[in-house]
Amino acid sequence: DTEVTQTPKHLVMGMTNKKSLKCEQHMGHRAMYWYKQKAKKPPELMFVYSYEKLSINESVPSRFSPECPNSSLLNLHLHALQPEDSALYLCASSQREMGGAETQYFGPGTRLLVL
Amino acid sequence: EDQVTQSPEALRLQEGESSSLNCSYTVSGLRGLFWYRQDPGKGPEFLFTLYSAGEEKEKERLKATLTKKESFLHITAPKPEDSATYLCAVQQGSSNTGKLIFGQGTTLQVKP
Repeated sequence: DTEVTQTPKHLVMGMTNKKSLKCEQHMGHRAMYWYKQKAKKPPELMFVYSYEKLSINESVPSRFSPECPNSSLLNLHLHALQPEDSALYLCASSQREMGGAETQYFGPGTRLLVL
Repeated sequence: EDQVTQSPEALRLQEGESSSLNCSYTVSGLRGLFWYRQDPGKGPEFLFTLYSAGEEKEKERLKATLTKKESFLHITAPKPEDSATYLCAVQQGSSNTGKLIFGQGTTLQVKP
């Protein structure tokens, strides 16, 4: 099973709201990722968690706050977003392979609209 | 600088008309090259991982090949359901973070 689940599928929020995106995997993967994808563009890496520790933050604005409560769950907390943050937010996971290629498996995404 | 370039940007085929998508890369040491398929509004679906030059992998009508500078995704006798955006990505050899460098994608449309 190579399934990554994400909730909600769609989210509409105002610029003063606080919301959270959730991601879950049960493949025993020890690396989890958040990506942002705009229309007709490839996914853009935001954060990487490795063994539940934040290992990469690609200079993402502080209005996006990631959290990894355990090895199966990943959250993205959203606060005071801007309309330009509207996008498809993707979660992915991979097995940690020291020295080897790590295949990432993506979830279906959360379509976010900021009004 | 590590870079991935995909061509063409868009491709229109008739059903049954075979063709190839190209992914050229420059990376300081290749750990792996990945192909994904993405339907509109959905997450990328994993297709193949290629590790070293000369490697080939097949799945139904798709075949991926790898050289030291590029990868090809060959589509044999495509069907309308193969219409999607195909993304190529590489992982750098020195990276221990799993970070992917994506190309811009090739949007394939197969007409019946």
